[in-house]
Amino acid sequence: SYVLTQPPSVSVAPGQTARITCGGNNIASKGVHWYQRKPGQAPVLVVSHDYDRPSGIPERFSGSNSGNTATLTISRVEDGDEADYYCQVWDSSTEVVVFGGGTKLTVL
Amino acid sequence: QVHLVQSGAEVKTPGSSVKISCKASGGTLNSFPISWVRQAPGQGLEWMGGIIPVYDTLKYAQKFQGRVTINTDESASTAYLALNSLTSEDTAVYYCARVPGAYCSGECFVDPFDIWGQGTMVTVSS
Repeated sequence: SYVLTQPPSVSVAPGQTARITCGGNNIASKGVHWYQRKPGQAPVLVVSHDYDRPSGIPERFSGSNSGNTATLTISRVEDGDEADYYCQVWDSSTEVVVFGGGTKLTVL
Repeated sequence: QVHLVQSGAEVKTPGSSVKISCKASGGTLNSFPISWVRQAPGQGLEWMGGIIPVYDTLKYAQKFQGRVTINTDESASTAYLALNSLTSEDTAVYYCARVPGAYCSGECFVDPFDIWGQGTMVTVSS
C-alpha cells in the first residue's frame, strides 16, 4: 500500500516560514492535497492538487511537489496557524485515499 | 452555501453497531460524492470509504471491508455510515466529506475533500 510520511512536529517563530514535508514514492506523479485541523474543528482544505489555493485561504499558504517529496509552505507564520497539518493523495493503483500521519505545527 | 450536517454523538458498547447520518443542504447528493473519514484520539485522519467520482462506485479502505456499510438516500439528501462489531479502537470523531470531482489522464486524480461535516463523536465503552 502507498505510504505518506510526515514529520511529527515542526516549530517556528511568528513571522518566519514553516515548511512541512510529505514523503511518498514518486509522489510527484500524484496530486497532493493539504488540510489544516485545529482542535475541536473539522479539517480545512488549504492547498489542493499540489499548489492550488482554495478561495479564502491566505496567500501565505503554498504548496509544491517534486520527486518523492511534497511540501506545504506557510510564510509569515501567525499564532493562528498553529494546528495539525495533513497531506493526502488518491492512490489509483489500489483505489484508496491515503493520508499522511500529520504534522503538528507549533508557533513559538 | 453548501453544508453537511451530521447526526449527534453516540455512546455504544463493545460488539454493537452504530449508524451515523450526513445530510446535505444547498444541493442534492448527486452533486455530493461523500466519503467518510475518522480520527481517533491522538491519531491522524483515516479514510474509511466513500463514493469516488470517475469510478462512480463505492470504495472502501481494506481495514474496514466487511464491517462498514456506506449508503445514501437521495430523496432525503442524506448519506449514512454504519459500522458494526465495535471495539474501543473505534472510539473516534467521524466526519463525512465531499469529493467534488476527479479526472483520469493515464492515472486518475481525485479532487480533495472540500466540504466537511461538523463531525460525530462515537464512544465505545463498556
